[in-house]
Amino acid sequence: QKEVEQDPGPLSVPEGAIVSLNCTYSNSAFQYFMWYRQYSRKGPELLMYTYSSGNKEDGRFTAQVDKSSKYISLFIRDSQPSDSATYLCAMKEFTDSWGKFQFGAGTQVVVTP
Amino acid sequence: EPEVTQTPSHQVTQMGQEVILRCVPISNHLYFYWYRQILGQKVEFLVSFYNNEISEKSEIFDDQFSVERPDGSNFTLKIRSTKLEDSAMYFCASSETTGGAFGYTFGSGTRLTVV
Repeated sequence: QKEVEQDPGPLSVPEGAIVSLNCTYSNSAFQYFMWYRQYSRKGPELLMYTYSSGNKEDGRFTAQVDKSSKYISLFIRDSQPSDSATYLCAMKEFTDSWGKFQFGAGTQVVVTP
Repeated sequence: EPEVTQTPSHQVTQMGQEVILRCVPISNHLYFYWYRQILGQKVEFLVSFYNNEISEKSEIFDDQFSVERPDGSNFTLKIRSTKLEDSAMYFCASSETTGGAFGYTFGSGTRLTVV
């Protein structure tokens, strides 16, 4: 079983819709969770980070963590064509002091005008 | 906004040759990382580096690979005797905090093509 699972998509939504992304994981030691956005042929760009269960909001983005279900989500409100990218979840263990993150495969999102 | 700079953006090399990928992390960051992404696959951890030594490495990071901070600004990844399967995007990243608890800043990557 893969440690981090993420649906590769593509996920196509009309402009203005809510984009809903999620990842599941099997390692209960994962305690730090990140969401990155990656445009084609570019490096990942950090969107959100969290280490507690519940919701965290930042502008149009909401990150949600459910540690009991080993499930994390990212919601993008009022989506724009510029949100078209691949979204990566990443997570690491609490005891890992040196930043070894496990990434999901990424979900490709296409926002159509 | 501060950024991580990687050079070259694209490197083509012949199988068996050595390549050096270069990175300039954000100046006040102390923790440095290399990740790679084979086309169509996940971003994979290679190595983390702190205080001039490797702090953690993955099973991918074997004797073929080495990292160095030759001066106060550059951070390099050397791949000796390249193989076809080393073809990938290589990303350098840096963080201000230990373990990247608040995330990393990634560079734009170097696309390595081994022919």
